[in-house]
Amino acid sequence: GQNIDQPTEMTATEGAIVQINCTYQTSGFNGLFWYQQHAGEAPTFLSYNVLDGLEEKGRFSSFLSRSKGYSYLLLKELQMKDSASYLCAAFFPGGYQKVTFGTGTKLQVIP
Amino acid sequence: GAGVSQSPSNKVTEKGKDVELRCDPISGHTALYWYRQSLGQGLEFLIYFQGNSAPDKSGLPSDRFSAERTGGSVSTLTIQRTQQEDSAVYLCASSLGRIEETQYFGPGTRLLVL
Repeated sequence: GQNIDQPTEMTATEGAIVQINCTYQTSGFNGLFWYQQHAGEAPTFLSYNVLDGLEEKGRFSSFLSRSKGYSYLLLKELQMKDSASYLCAAFFPGGYQKVTFGTGTKLQVIP
Repeated sequence: GAGVSQSPSNKVTEKGKDVELRCDPISGHTALYWYRQSLGQGLEFLIYFQGNSAPDKSGLPSDRFSAERTGGSVSTLTIQRTQQEDSAVYLCASSLGRIEETQYFGPGTRLLVL
């Protein structure tokens, strides 16, 4: 199967650091995406990890470990505008091109 | 510059009717994706085009769904004999080409089947 699991909801304080985990029971994927989606809006691309390790982009970093079957999105110096859903997705190449999404983690940033 | 546009933005239809959803990708983007997002649910991949061809259509929920892309640009997603469970937001995205390229999403079409 291609199960991708994320916590449903998280709450964190403005200015803090939060780690959103994504675990998967699948193999053969080419890479892992992270998207941000504000309520009522379309998703926006955050990152795509192919290699194991941490990739940093400003306040957001994404990590992948294929051997351990998980990824995480790290948000630093949280701002109120970071309140959104964060979606993890795996891309499976080959004869077909398919992207499988987790159900997303709804993050609430509180003052 | 112009982003991905979709039309209509909202569509209310009666059960059993056919609907056609349109996506205009960013100019020069060869890859185009259709997703569906039901209320409170995650994104569901439907189909992916590279140019005019779709390597695999197994992501489409049923044979009532079809998609085409002509001229390597505009794509239409057609749902025949709509059912209430088809109610969702249908999102289109485009990217330069390779899957790892940033996907830019359109605003979506909110479909409600009564």
